Amino acid sequence: GENVEQHPSTLSVQEGDSAVIKCTYSDSASNYFPWYKQELGKRPQLIIDIRSNVGEKKDQRIAVTLNKTAKHFSLHITETQPEDSAVYFCAGGGGSYIPTFGRGTSLIVHP
Amino acid sequence: DAGVIQSPRHEVTEMGQEVTLRCKPISGHNSLFWYRQTMMRGLELLIYFNNNVPIDDSGMPEDRFSAKMPNASFSTLKIQPSEPRDSAVYFCASSLAGPPAYNEQFFGPGTRLTVL
Repeated sequence: GENVEQHPSTLSVQEGDSAVIKCTYSDSASNYFPWYKQELGKRPQLIIDIRSNVGEKKDQRIAVTLNKTAKHFSLHITETQPEDSAVYFCAGGGGSYIPTFGRGTSLIVHP
Repeated sequence: DAGVIQSPRHEVTEMGQEVTLRCKPISGHNSLFWYRQTMMRGLELLIYFNNNVPIDDSGMPEDRFSAKMPNASFSTLKIQPSEPRDSAVYFCASSLAGPPAYNEQFFGPGTRLTVL
């Protein structure tokens, strides 16, 4: 099946800085790459997703980039705010494979 | 829509007891996923149903775990007998999707299971 690796496991930034989280995947047939945010004690919720026919997608302060050749995709958060503090999960899959989640990145934004 | 509904929200039981977790997906969604979340193992997919049929149960840990989806609006995850290492948060998620195309998964609030 698909194998998704996510880095870093913990990311600490100052408010206003940018944050970047990276994921790699193993199967070139994967075509769907969502990102979920999970606040402490709550459920994961989708914040942005990208499909393999697109290289980049933006939504206000959040963007995702996809490099199919290198089989990696990244989440970019600009102008971070304390409320961005959460665990972020990437996932990859599609085609023959159910989307597989990465291990998560704990983002801490210091005021 | 009320979103994905799970019950109970918290369950404390003793080792050896049977545990049943319940899930009601969003109406109209045809895919349902059961996940287990722990600090050590992250978010693990246990089983995936599409149109009420189990498609992938390779994540089910062992024979003590079983899942059913008797109709489009209800699914159960049963652990019998339960063990302390089963303690985790169990999430149910639903989606309007199916192989080979996948879409956003909507997660329920989770059931926090503690096995003493």
